Amino acid sequence: SQQGEEDPQALSIQEGENATMNCSYKTSINNLQWYRQNSGRGLVHLILIRSNEREKHSGRLRVTLDTSKKSSSLLITASRAADTASYFCAPVSGNTPLVFGKGTRLSVIA
Amino acid sequence: DTGVSQDPRHKITKRGQNVTFRCDPISEHNRLYWYRQTLGQGPEFLTYFQNEAQLEKSRLLSDRFSAERPKGSFSTLEIQRTEQGDSAMYLCASSLLVQETQYFGPGTRLLVL
Repeated sequence: SQQGEEDPQALSIQEGENATMNCSYKTSINNLQWYRQNSGRGLVHLILIRSNEREKHSGRLRVTLDTSKKSSSLLITASRAADTASYFCAPVSGNTPLVFGKGTRLSVIA
Repeated sequence: DTGVSQDPRHKITKRGQNVTFRCDPISEHNRLYWYRQTLGQGPEFLTYFQNEAQLEKSRLLSDRFSAERPKGSFSTLEIQRTEQGDSAMYLCASSLLVQETQYFGPGTRLLVL
């Protein structure tokens, strides 16, 4: 698999606002996964979106995928302080393990 | 099943000592992965197993690192002659299929003095 590049590297918002983070990648994919990591903890899987899907929702999370632009976005609506974490995307291609970038560090201020 | 577990959660050792970490994956998962993560970085892939077979090792993995999964269930990661640069969080994950969702353990934080 290839490494995704998350953007921005850091994001600070007020509680209740929406947070959008983006992921770009270089070659075709089978699926793209988003993970969250709270400080000092393991990663938690959020959403997997397949290459033939354009949008997926899970609770307050909305993920889009544009394979023509080789990009994905993760939108968190009505953010809460508990959403403060690092968010990683992992574009998956071939039969190889996930590769993670540096992530987006989200701070939600109460 | 309560998910992926790792032991110990924290380890402090002196340079030159050997350390061993254990990972217990979700029971029906035949794929198991090891990652290393340093502050401010994403997890770096180290190695992975399908059942007991070690299928891939990163070039990051020096000869001082060895991993096993003897019966296709739990796995161990050993670091011999630890160096200060080995200080990191070591994460284990498991999955049913290599392209699908990975479930991560809480990690083992290693500090080499």
